[in-house]
Amino acid sequence: QVQLVQSGPEVKKPGASVKVSCKASGDTFTNYGINWVRQAPGQGLEWVGWISPYNGKTKYSQSFQGRVTMTTDTSTTTTYLEVRSLRSDDTAVYFCARERDPYYDNPHYFDPWGPGTLVTVSS
Amino acid sequence: DIQMTQAPSSLSASEGDRVTITCQASQDITTWLNWYQHKPGKPPKLVIYDASKLEKGVPSRFSGSGSGTDFTFTISSLQPEDIGTYYCHQYDTLPLTFGGGTKVEI
Repeated sequence: QVQLVQSGPEVKKPGASVKVSCKASGDTFTNYGINWVRQAPGQGLEWVGWISPYNGKTKYSQSFQGRVTMTTDTSTTTTYLEVRSLRSDDTAVYFCARERDPYYDNPHYFDPWGPGTLVTVSS
Repeated sequence: DIQMTQAPSSLSASEGDRVTITCQASQDITTWLNWYQHKPGKPPKLVIYDASKLEKGVPSRFSGSGSGTDFTFTISSLQPEDIGTYYCHQYDTLPLTFGGGTKVEI
């Protein structure tokens, strides 16, 4: 049974950075891509990007280009999302979502999802 | 970016009703479309993939159809446990994009 465990809530000031983690267990970590999706309060879902734990290859939404970095640590089966230069509109729940199928080089089916990490940006 | 337009944004129906949600893509995405169910306080869950394929373990009252730019998601007999928000999601072209969501209430 695959499980994704995310880090706890964060409160940051505008201009700061935040690093959210997502630890996967129950399957071969490097075989499955990881996506990050966020949901601002009262809003819908927004794809942030994807990373391959196998080779570190990343694909980011242009909306975040230059402000986000995704990394993985295969020794701890953990994926990280760092967001820099935080703004108030970055306030959101950030979900990690694993690819359902292994070995794909592009994001497609998101399942399962982590429980989400609330990031609040406020002065 | 491909825009995904979902309708309606919310609906209220009775238990046992047939519920239909539409999703329109701003360009042809063939059948590269998924539907997710998002219940309050829980993470989203994949329900339909490739426009019409039922994810394992999902009840058969859920179905999807369509190709190109126009897609439909149907719950044939609405159950109390189906309340939540449903999102379409295209993975034809980066960046991946979601519809605005349809909140389903009973």
